[in-house]
Amino acid sequence: QQQVKQSPQSLIVQKGGISIINCAYENTAFDYFPWYQQFPGKGPALLIAIRPDVSEKKEGRFTISFNKSAKQFSLHIMDSQPGDSATYFCAASPVSSNTGKLIFGQGTTLQVKP
Amino acid sequence: NAGVMQNPRHLVRRRGQEARLRCSPMKGHSHVYWYRQLPEEGLKFMVYLQKENIIDESGMPKERFSAEFPKEGPSILRIQQVVRGDSAAYFCASSPSHDPGEPQHFGDGTRLSIL
Repeated sequence: QQQVKQSPQSLIVQKGGISIINCAYENTAFDYFPWYQQFPGKGPALLIAIRPDVSEKKEGRFTISFNKSAKQFSLHIMDSQPGDSATYFCAASPVSSNTGKLIFGQGTTLQVKP
Repeated sequence: NAGVMQNPRHLVRRRGQEARLRCSPMKGHSHVYWYRQLPEEGLKFMVYLQKENIIDESGMPKERFSAEFPKEGPSILRIQQVVRGDSAAYFCASSPSHDPGEPQHFGDGTRLSIL
């Protein structure tokens, strides 16, 4: 019930295309859903986050779509660039824990071809 | 404005030795989280600490692992009698509060290799 399932495991997109990464969860106590970007040898960096009271949030080329009834959320990267090549992690935080700990998906390795 | 600092960046230990991983949170952050990342996997929560207190250690293995965050100095993750399965990247994150909506800022991790 604490899991967050992420797909696909890897993704190859042409420059200028749209990258879409999906996540699903079971625990209805989750109420904060961030996406992190990680480059090799570096720590994860917060990209964008959403709360369940909105269905979509956009920041530049990055958009989170959130479907509360389906317990799914996704990251869309518009106009994908080679510099976006990285590993992306979705995460969720359960209110019930009262600690802010993050439950991460398994990660998606994105390669954007020039 | 220094970010979260972790050291060492790489640590090699032989089986049975002790590993000490250090984390200095961002300035003004008093909440520290430790996560472990195995190869080709996502990050797994280990422990959450505030100054001088362990708040949530539900992700910590019951034996050999311990963590502290003293009043002065960095947070320490200590692994005693290391085994091959402890080989992983260990990440520390800090935040100014435990609010789930408060962004956690990650360090660049310590890569632990067990020979």
